[in-house]
Amino acid sequence: EAGVTQFPSHSVIEKGQTVTLRCDPISGHDNLYWYRRVMGKEIKFLLHFVKESKQDESGMPNNRFLAERTGGTYSTLKVQPAELEDSGVYFCASSQAGTSGKFHTGELFFGEGSRLTVL
Amino acid sequence: QKEVEQNSGPLSVPEGAIASLNCTYSDRGSQSFFWYRQYSGKSPELIMSIYSNGDKEDGRFTAQLNKASQYVSLLIRDSQPSDSATYLCAVNIKGGKAAGNKLTFGGGTRVLVKP
Repeated sequence: EAGVTQFPSHSVIEKGQTVTLRCDPISGHDNLYWYRRVMGKEIKFLLHFVKESKQDESGMPNNRFLAERTGGTYSTLKVQPAELEDSGVYFCASSQAGTSGKFHTGELFFGEGSRLTVL
Repeated sequence: QKEVEQNSGPLSVPEGAIASLNCTYSDRGSQSFFWYRQYSGKSPELIMSIYSNGDKEDGRFTAQLNKASQYVSLLIRDSQPSDSATYLCAVNIKGGKAAGNKLTFGGGTRVLVKP
């Protein structure tokens, strides 16, 4: 079974340009998450999709970031325009849906990340 | 104060010894706790999850949770060079099925197992 895949693995762009990161979750996983690790910092939550709906986007830094998950399959994260502080590794993760009445176990499966360098 | 704290290391242990990693968290409402292993340039990989006080063992790994003291630890027995990696502690602060898996991560502890 394929894991979570992310593309591109590395992107180098100049300040002010646009970059779109893509994540393909594990097939059948309704929950899709974006996290980010800025150099020297912890991995931080960005947002959470349940199928095509944004469940929680409280971690999105600002309106330069736009995440979509049309059709509830793959997701894209667009940064426009990119700034220097956006450099880091963007991780996507997915998990199965929790069953009714049960606590969502938190067993996330991560992709290898997309490293973004903004010059 | 960081929400989830770990010693960054590196934690150097000889092959065959026990590696002991600690993690403290600030929110008493935290519900579930996870240890991820991450090799350089690779994805974080879940190795242990623990939800209630006490010990949980899985192979060479043991997770220990003490909610009263707000810490969670990971023991790696019979450490192997292949265990050399960064170990991330992650906490799901909110509970309930609607909360999803908004994990809060520590900075990670780098472990070096020397042959």
